Amino acid sequence: EADIYQTPRYLVIGTGKKITLECSQTMGHDKMYWYQQDPGMELHLIHYSYGVNSTEKGDLSSESTVSRIRTEHFPLTLESARPSHTSQYLCASSETRSNTGELFFGEGSRLTVL
Amino acid sequence: KNQVEQSPQSLIILEGKNCTLQCNYTVSPFSNLRWYKQDTGRGPVSLTIMTFSENTKSNGRYTATLDADTKQSSLHITASQLSDSASYICVVSDRGSTLGRLYFGRGTQLTVWP
Repeated sequence: EADIYQTPRYLVIGTGKKITLECSQTMGHDKMYWYQQDPGMELHLIHYSYGVNSTEKGDLSSESTVSRIRTEHFPLTLESARPSHTSQYLCASSETRSNTGELFFGEGSRLTVL
Repeated sequence: KNQVEQSPQSLIILEGKNCTLQCNYTVSPFSNLRWYKQDTGRGPVSLTIMTFSENTKSNGRYTATLDADTKQSSLHITASQLSDSASYICVVSDRGSTLGRLYFGRGTQLTVWP
């Protein structure tokens, strides 16, 4: 099994609150990603990082921000949550040296904003 | 229009039966095609990864095929089990691991009944 962990698994909060979704991996992977997934829809890339101090926005516009201060840690922050942020957030990692760039996913964080 | 289309959208089969899921893509250039299994409320887990030169790959009761000429892939599940109930996601990469972009299908929701 992949050694990539997300917390919290489930979060219900009120509008306007600041939240941080944690993601950690112990595989030493240099690349990390955040995806957003709604029911019945494809995964959308919202942020990615190729290494420490490297972060980029993905294909889907998001009001969230990320940081990569340590290789193993890639937290996602929403400064002011809104109901439109309600979704499943999946963290993933991969290794540059891999021929195929296989992704390893965490278990996901289900966010509900009331 | 999504560049990775999966069919059927959902499928119900009886335990012990076989089934085949389809994936058609228009992504070009092509690097590799992956099939993931995603249990409800969990992160996706890799089943197979196939490059351009591979036309079949097995992982236990799962067998994936790839026809790069027609840009079609299938995932065949043999002797289905209740634990096979999940969403199966087809993902296509357009380049090598370091720079490739991933294109996700919306998944086929498989339900296995006893």
